[in-house]
Amino acid sequence: GAGVSQSPSNKVTEKGKDVELRCDPISGHTALYWYRQSLGQGLEFLIYFQGNSAPDKSGLPSDRFSAERTGGSVSTLTIQRTQQEDSAVYLCASSLNEESEKLFFGSGTQLSVL
Amino acid sequence: SQQGEEDPQALSIQEGENATMNCSYKTSINNLQWYRQNSGRGLVHLILIRSNEREKHSGRLRVTLDTSKKSSSLLITASRAADTASYFCATLNTSGTYKYIFGTGTRLKVLA
Repeated sequence: GAGVSQSPSNKVTEKGKDVELRCDPISGHTALYWYRQSLGQGLEFLIYFQGNSAPDKSGLPSDRFSAERTGGSVSTLTIQRTQQEDSAVYLCASSLNEESEKLFFGSGTQLSVL
Repeated sequence: SQQGEEDPQALSIQEGENATMNCSYKTSINNLQWYRQNSGRGLVHLILIRSNEREKHSGRLRVTLDTSKKSSSLLITASRAADTASYFCATLNTSGTYKYIFGTGTRLKVLA
């Protein structure tokens, strides 16, 4: 596609439910990043992929968070047993490869946990 | 926290004035980038400066980098109402993984 696509754009869920957030990177981009942004705050790094492997997943807040990438393209971020503190905008970005430096961001998924 | 810090947190200026934002970071870096965010959603890359560079220009943007002070500044000259947005710095450190650490951001408001 023309840009990074994230779905859904908004997700409202109940505490304790599982959610899946999807990211479609720019075609041909091998590096993919997930960030979290709480209201009015900066971006918190979660994980990044080069191809299907994750060289750095040090930002995942707990074992309730996991991410995978298949076929070197689409990535899914899964949050199990959601908590209210998980409410945030989840941003995905891609780059041509991990050395190419410039990140292209999607519009994010606004997650609200009630 | 891994995050860099930016100041001011918020800045309000008149159209035509210059806007200066500062970013401080904590580790040795390979490069530093500035991004712009409108309406709390996707970010757009503005400019990149490498650790061996001291100053860079792009249109109305001027970025400086002082690695001895672990700080950078972004200057927007002749600001316009359309420059109203949040601005973030992002650093790539020398740790060996390509993890970009973002600052806390400066919210710029340009009044027409």
